[in-house]
Amino acid sequence: ELKVEQNPLFLSMQEGKNYTIYCNYSTTSDRLYWYRQDPGKSLESLFVLLSNGAVKQEGRLMASLDTKARLSTLHITAAVHDLSATYFCAVDAGTGTASKLTFGTGTRLQVTL
Amino acid sequence: DGGITQSPKYLFRKEGQNVTLSCEQNLNHDAMYWYRQDPGQGLRLIYYSQIVNDFQKGDIAEGYSVSREKKESFPLTVTSAQKNPTAFYLCASSHRDRPSWGYTFGSGTRLTVV
Repeated sequence: ELKVEQNPLFLSMQEGKNYTIYCNYSTTSDRLYWYRQDPGKSLESLFVLLSNGAVKQEGRLMASLDTKARLSTLHITAAVHDLSATYFCAVDAGTGTASKLTFGTGTRLQVTL
Repeated sequence: DGGITQSPKYLFRKEGQNVTLSCEQNLNHDAMYWYRQDPGQGLRLIYYSQIVNDFQKGDIAEGYSVSREKKESFPLTVTSAQKNPTAFYLCASSHRDRPSWGYTFGSGTRLTVV
């Protein structure tokens, strides 16, 4: 059974600081997704990582994937208050008819002034 | 514009009632999924369907049922057998052969037992 673990579960950081969220998973996969969720809202897609060594950047967020270590990171550079949200990683370890996402528990990010 | 529509946005269920949550997509996606989210938690897979007239149980299927009679629609019924149905329900869809396109999520239905 695929397990997806995120840490930390909660992160309080000051504006302007850098930090990294980690996502570990237990089964071989080269398809990993990052999402953002605002309170009471649905999921917003941030990054799609589909190969070992993949790196994607959008604004102050950068995501990477190491399939050998079964690890993805979401790095936040010079945080701003607007980045406050819950961030989820999700792994698709299936193929064809078995494709489905397994989610981590989420990291709640709070950026303070 | 293409997307996924979930309805209703809020739903209240009395004890012993069955209720059905609607999920419709016009993205021409093959696969559709139902997830449940409890407060402060991640998403857990209830049911998923890769093609019409076929679906599989996810991790927490007990007390739920689905149908996939049309490619565009994947309704979820929360039966009276589901003892703790209060949660946020999210529907998603994806193109089976295009993982780079990712998964698209609906806006969710918040179900409360009264």
